[in-house]
Amino acid sequence: QITLKESGPTVVRPTETLTLTCTFSGFSLSASGVGVGWIRQPPGKALEWLALTYWDDDRRYRPSLRSRLTITKDTSKNQVVLILTNMDPLDTATYYCAHIVTTVKAFDVWGQGTTVTVSS
Amino acid sequence: SSEVTQPPSVSVSSGQTATISCSGDNLEYKYISWYQQKAGQSPVLVIYHDYKRPSGIPERFSGSNSGNTATLIITGTQAMDEADYYCQAWDDSTYVFGTGTKVTVL
Repeated sequence: QITLKESGPTVVRPTETLTLTCTFSGFSLSASGVGVGWIRQPPGKALEWLALTYWDDDRRYRPSLRSRLTITKDTSKNQVVLILTNMDPLDTATYYCAHIVTTVKAFDVWGQGTTVTVSS
Repeated sequence: SSEVTQPPSVSVSSGQTATISCSGDNLEYKYISWYQQKAGQSPVLVIYHDYKRPSGIPERFSGSNSGNTATLIITGTQAMDEADYYCQAWDDSTYVFGTGTKVTVL
């Protein structure tokens, strides 16, 4: 059974850096074709894909946020970390991590999400 | 990456068919997926590769994709299907979500 869980701060101040961790079980991020992505959802708004890391260390980013985003993986710890710099109130959202397989090109298992509020 | 648009809302009577569209450039080449998100919950994948259903998803959910429009069809809509639905496109190794559609079951 695949599970993922997000963790990190619930509140960050404007201009600070957000670091979120996705801890997963039930699959290996060193297995061919496997990836983990991050998606966020501002309150009352649509889903936004942010970033994705694959088993082969290929990384993809949302073009409009590329300069602020970094995604890394620690295969031994079964974790994926998302870093978003220079936080703004518009970054207030629920952040999800999700499992993906390249042959499916869809996020088939999602974490419960973690809510991040940007406020001074 | 290109934009993907959906109608903000769709209303359907219980037992009838709900049709949700997803529009964008050349969507027929972009491996469309669909997600259901109920209030306060994480999204659930209901369709991938335009029309394939993951294990455990009821047969009343189906999909199609042609030209610039992909479609999610819910046949015999039930009250439990009331939710927000998002399409998602694979676009040159990046991913784009649609604007979302709220489905109300009357």
